[in-house]
Amino acid sequence: EDQVTQSPEALRLQEGESSSLNCSYTVSGLRGLFWYRQDPGKGPEFLFTLYSAGEEKEKERLKATLTKKESFLHITAPKPEDSATYLCAASYNTDKLIFGTGTRLQVFP
Amino acid sequence: NAGVTQTPKFQVLKTGQSMTLQCAQDMNHEYMSWYRQDPGMGLRLIHYSVGAGITDQGEVPNGYNVSRSTTEDFPLRLLSAAPSQTSVYFCASSYSSKVGVRTGELFFGEGSRLTVL
Repeated sequence: EDQVTQSPEALRLQEGESSSLNCSYTVSGLRGLFWYRQDPGKGPEFLFTLYSAGEEKEKERLKATLTKKESFLHITAPKPEDSATYLCAASYNTDKLIFGTGTRLQVFP
Repeated sequence: NAGVTQTPKFQVLKTGQSMTLQCAQDMNHEYMSWYRQDPGMGLRLIHYSVGAGITDQGEVPNGYNVSRSTTEDFPLRLLSAAPSQTSVYFCASSYSSKVGVRTGELFFGEGSRLTVL
């Protein structure tokens, strides 16, 4: 069964303390791996698309990477405004995305 | 542009009642979809559409109906509400019908919080 697993479920960081979030996926037939950010009471907001192992994408303090088994979202020197739930999703065909349960990130000043 | 607009934002139903969650997008997107989000379960796909007149089932379609008569609108109908349908519902759209391989970028609405008593 195609699935996406994220860890940890929750992460508390001090402002400036870099860390990584993990997303592991069913290897066979992956077409794309995607990262979203979701603020409380809001819909998810798209961050990155990764298509092949070795690919990297960056946006401000966030960098997403993809290996043959998993993806990482690296957060460098986070700020309180980076606090949110980060979701990853995978596609195995053209028209469906399968989402993980998310990592809730809290960054304290 | 308003993006993806969902109504209502909040709704309380009694078991057995029916209702429609509305979703409209003004971006001329081909692809539209409905997800439900429950604690510990993540976002699960209910139904989706790759264009007007075309709909298909997602992971959890039972108890829900959809139709896509126009490009802009994609309503979700609950036929006979059950407490298990208490959830937050999100409508999402994408400019490409091949969202899984072309972009992965879904534009989400703000969500509709439904409680079934």
